Amino acid sequence: GNSVTQMEGPVTLSEEAFLTINCTYTATGYPSLFWYVQYPGEGLQLLLKATKADDKGSNKGFEATYRKETTSFHLEKGSVQVSDSAVYFCALANSGGYQKVTFGTGTKLQVIP
Amino acid sequence: KAGVTQTPRYLIKTRGQQVTLSCSPISGHRSVSWYQQTPGQGLQFLFEYFSETQRNKGNFPGRFSGRQFSNSRSEMNVSTLELGDSALYLCASSLAPGQGAHEQYFGPGTRLTVT
Repeated sequence: GNSVTQMEGPVTLSEEAFLTINCTYTATGYPSLFWYVQYPGEGLQLLLKATKADDKGSNKGFEATYRKETTSFHLEKGSVQVSDSAVYFCALANSGGYQKVTFGTGTKLQVIP
Repeated sequence: KAGVTQTPRYLIKTRGQQVTLSCSPISGHRSVSWYQQTPGQGLQFLFEYFSETQRNKGNFPGRFSGRQFSNSRSEMNVSTLELGDSALYLCASSLAPGQGAHEQYFGPGTRLTVT
């Protein structure tokens, strides 16, 4: 079955530091890949997505590239802010039909001033 | 456009009771999925509904059930509550399975505490 593996947190960074959160996946076929973010006390929000190999998703300074050869979808940001403190979830879904979305366990990011 | 709404936001129940949670999807969205989020197990898929039919189900006991109405609103029910059912229950809506590459929009969740 499908699975998503994320690096364990929490990750603590100083403001303006570079962020990488690793995500690798196992899936059949050609899944779509997502990063969701959950701020304290809220539900998940879609941050970015990529639907095919070599696609780069980007939003709010965050980027992730769909690497089929390494089955990875690492999240990066060049300069984090305190407001980026949240839990980040990597997820995948096979295209078409009634396929459930598979989430990683989440990585908590804390950015300190 | 209004987002996904869930009611109630907080709920406290005792063991053995049952509970019903409600979810109203974004207007025009016809697919609703439910997830259980706990610190120990993370985000676990419960079930997905589309056109009033359950299309997919996760690995939860039969005490967990749901339904979807003709206006796409959904409810989930948990009977004979156990302490381990304490969790944040999240609802997510999407246009339809297979459309928008499963881009889901989440509600704020219902925090259920079982004592």
